[in-house]
Amino acid sequence: DGGITQSPKYLFRKEGQNVTLSCEQNLNHDAMYWYRQDPGQGLRLIYYSQIVNDFQKGDIAEGYSVSREKKESFPLTVTSAQKNPTAFYLCASSPLASSTDTQYFGPGTRLTVL
Amino acid sequence: AQSVTQLGSHVSVSEGALVLLRCNYSSSVPPYLFWYVQYPNQGLQLLLKYTTGATLVKGINGFEAEFKKSETSFHLTKPSAHMSDAAEYFCAVSKNSGNTPLVFGKGTRLSVIA
Repeated sequence: DGGITQSPKYLFRKEGQNVTLSCEQNLNHDAMYWYRQDPGQGLRLIYYSQIVNDFQKGDIAEGYSVSREKKESFPLTVTSAQKNPTAFYLCASSPLASSTDTQYFGPGTRLTVL
Repeated sequence: AQSVTQLGSHVSVSEGALVLLRCNYSSSVPPYLFWYVQYPNQGLQLLLKYTTGATLVKGINGFEAEFKKSETSFHLTKPSAHMSDAAEYFCAVSKNSGNTPLVFGKGTRLSVIA
């Protein structure tokens, strides 16, 4: 089955810890995205990547970091600098980074800071 | 800059009644427009999208939306609501030039009453 997988589904973090959220796709898509979802806030773009070894900041990149060493993988690290990391994180991909492309979403990771 | 406004964070309809979810956009260039649906604790799924051509777009699960440039709107409708339509719905916009990520509205939660 082709699709996007995110792991883990639930993640708990202590304050001051860095955590990494996994996102893998086997759709052969060039572009990948990370969004943060908070209740009543919609989806806000954290980072996106249009090609391997290149990525751009989105609207709320502070306190987050990413890498794109392989086409199929786009992990997100939530650092201790992110002051309010508790949220639902969604990864997406699209065939090319074209404006008409449909973005396909993974099932999400719910991060809770204890 | 593009933006999306979804009127009504929560809409409640009776089963069998018309569903109308409102979306207005702001864009300096002709937009591409999308509607996505999200079921609890899941990722987003594309319902439909408008890029060019016919302004009335039909999507999955009986939903459709009409692009009205003069009103800068892209409202989502379904003639008869079903219990399974209860979910959160997101409108999104992208520019029709370059490779730009989507900008999402804050979402509308649809409840269907038996």
